[in-house]
Amino acid sequence: DGGITQSPKYLFRKEGQNVTLSCEQNLNHDAMYWYRQDPGQGLRLIYYSQIVNDFQKGDIAEGYSVSREKKESFPLTVTSAQKNPTAFYLCASSIRGGSEQFFGPGTRLTVL
Amino acid sequence: GEDVEQSLFLSVREGDSSVINCTYTDSSSTYLYWYKQEPGAGLQLLTYIFSNMDMKQDQRLTVLLNKKDKHLSLRIADTQTGDSAIYFCADEGAGNYGGSQGNLIFGKGTKLSVKP
Repeated sequence: DGGITQSPKYLFRKEGQNVTLSCEQNLNHDAMYWYRQDPGQGLRLIYYSQIVNDFQKGDIAEGYSVSREKKESFPLTVTSAQKNPTAFYLCASSIRGGSEQFFGPGTRLTVL
Repeated sequence: GEDVEQSLFLSVREGDSSVINCTYTDSSSTYLYWYKQEPGAGLQLLTYIFSNMDMKQDQRLTVLLNKKDKHLSLRIADTQTGDSAIYFCADEGAGNYGGSQGNLIFGKGTKLSVKP
C-alpha cells in the first residue's frame, strides 16, 4: 500500500522537552511538507523540502527544525523554543513542488 | 501576499445541494484544489481543476471556476450526512516562498454540517 504515515497519532510531552514527529512516504515523491493546524486557522506551513538534503522555512518555522536525509523521510522536531506547541501536525508529500499534495493522518501533540 | 478566502461555516439539509465558495488572489494559478478533512484525520484530495477550464464534474461533485473574478466553487449534489467535514480550497501559488515554485496556499476551510 502506497501512502504517507505519521506516528504517533497522539503525543504528550512536558513543557520544555523537545519532541520529534515522524513522517514517512513510499510514494517516491520528491517534495515533502509540514503543516500546523489550529482550530479556525486552517493550515500553516512550517517547513518544506523539494529534494533530499534541502529544505526551506515556511510561514511559521520558529521553534521547529527538520531534516531530509532520505527521500522517504521528513521528521519534524518541535523544540522547547516553540511557545505554543499544542496543535495538530500534518505531513504531506507531492511528486514535485507545486503539484497536488497527499496528506498523512496527522499527529496531535499536547504539551502539558 | 497571495491569499485564499472561504466562508467558515455552511449548514444544509440531507438531500439538498451544498455550494462552498472560495476566492483567491493569485492570477498565475495553474491548478486549484479541493480537499476534504474529516474530524481528527488528514486532508483527502477531492478534486482539482486546471485554470483553463470553467467547469469540472466528477460524480456528485461539480467545480466551477470564474478566472476573471478569481472565484472557485464546489457543489455537492444530494448532500449526505457522510459529507459533513471541513472543505479546503487550495491555490497553487507561484514563487511565494523565497522564489521557490508553487507551494499550495490553503484557505481556512469551510465546515459543512449536514442535518438529517
